[in-house]
Amino acid sequence: RKEVEQDPGPFNVPEGATVAFNCTYSNSASQSFFWYRQDCRKEPKLLMSVYSSGNEDGRFTAQLNRASQYISLLIRDSKLSDSATYLCVVNKAAGNKLTFGGGTRVLVKP
Amino acid sequence: DTAVSQTPKYLVTQMGNDKSIKCEQNLGHDTMYWYKQDSKKFLKIMFSYNNKELIINETVPNRFSPKSPDKAHLNLHINSLELGDSAVYFCASSQVGVSSYEQYFGPGTRLTVT
Repeated sequence: RKEVEQDPGPFNVPEGATVAFNCTYSNSASQSFFWYRQDCRKEPKLLMSVYSSGNEDGRFTAQLNRASQYISLLIRDSKLSDSATYLCVVNKAAGNKLTFGGGTRVLVKP
Repeated sequence: DTAVSQTPKYLVTQMGNDKSIKCEQNLGHDTMYWYKQDSKKFLKIMFSYNNKELIINETVPNRFSPKSPDKAHLNLHINSLELGDSAVYFCASSQVGVSSYEQYFGPGTRLTVT
């Protein structure tokens, strides 16, 4: 079983719609959680950290469920520019070793 | 100003050759990383250096040798290249202790081994 698993998609989303997707992680000792965004043929960039109480950044909302070991990302009012691959990232206790999921591809269409 | 830069951006070479990829960051970070992203898009850490000291060394063939001449540079040398080494290699940096989990990535080096 992979340490971090994501539905690869693609999620085809009409512009203006809401899309949500999850990521599961296998190591219950994981301490920190993030969503990174990667555009086609570009480098990953941090989108947002995920806090235990859930957090929001504009149109993006992230949730963490430690009991079920998953995190989620919800995008409201999708824009064409939201089309990208969203990488779920988990950090274990030791060091700064980030473990990346395989990514969920989102395509927002007019 | 580019925060994390890598050279070259593209590298096409034949099996058996030796090649190097260079990485530099001007963010003043103390930790640098090398990642490999394969054709299935999985991003896997290879090495991490903190202040020129190796702190993460994943299960990577010893044909791969990182070198950190100073904390702003982390180069990757690959000996005897194989077809399976074809991938995009990303360098990244972060600052331990201050938003330490946010890693800034370079633009990547697309390596093709023929």
